Amino acid sequence: NAGVTQTPKFQVLKTGQSMTLQCAQDMNHEYMSWYRQDPGMGLRLIHYSVGAGITDQGEVPNGYNVSRSTTEDFPLRLLSAAPSQTSVYFCASSQDRVSEKLFFGSGTQLSVL
Amino acid sequence: AQSVAQPEDQVNVAEGNPLTVKCTYSVSGNPYLFWYVQYPNRGLQFLLKYITGDNLVKGSYGFEAEFNKSQTSFHLKKPSALVSDSALYFCAVRDINFGNEKLTFGTGTRLTIIP
Repeated sequence: NAGVTQTPKFQVLKTGQSMTLQCAQDMNHEYMSWYRQDPGMGLRLIHYSVGAGITDQGEVPNGYNVSRSTTEDFPLRLLSAAPSQTSVYFCASSQDRVSEKLFFGSGTQLSVL
Repeated sequence: AQSVAQPEDQVNVAEGNPLTVKCTYSVSGNPYLFWYVQYPNRGLQFLLKYITGDNLVKGSYGFEAEFNKSQTSFHLKKPSALVSDSALYFCAVRDINFGNEKLTFGTGTRLTIIP
C-alpha cells in the first residue's frame, strides 16, 4: 500500500509565488491534516479536515489554504509565499479524528527565497 | 493549555547499552500519550501509545515506555540499543476528550547510537 503520498519532495519558491503541495492517501481515512516542522519547534498543525467538504484551522493557519473535495486528497495552497514559510511540511491522516495512530507522508522541503 | 517537554535535544548511547528518551507532559484531563520516530528524509512513524491500563506499554522495534502519572512523565526506553535506532524521536499528548486536531508534539530528541 502507498499510504500517504506527498508531492513534490523539494521545492524552491521566490517570495510572492504561489504553489500547491499535494497529499493523497489510499486508506479511506476520514481525518487528514497538514503540519510544518521547524527546528526546535516540533510539529505545528496548519489545517485539518475531518471528512470531505469539511476543513478547519490549526495552530498556524495564516498564509495557507486547504480544501477537501474528495476523501483521498487534501492539498495545501500557499497563495503568496514568504520566507517565513520555509519549512518541512508533512501531511498526516488517521481513520477518524479520534483514532490513536497518525500516518505521515514523507514530507516536502520548501524553501522560499 | 496542554504541552509536552523533551528536555534533551540530543542523547548519545553506546550500542548495546540501555537507552532512555525523556518526556514530560501537561494536560488538563486524562492523557493519551504517544511516541513517534522520524528517520532521515522520512515522515514520522508511530512507535507506541498509552491510552489506559498497564503503565508499561510495548511498541515497535523493541521499544517500551513507562507512564508515570504522579511525575507526568512518559519516558521511552529500550534495554539494548542498536545503531539502527539512531533517529529523531517525538513525544506527543492529547486529552482523551479531544481528537487529533489537539495533538501536541514535543520538540524532538535526536538519538545517536555509537557503534
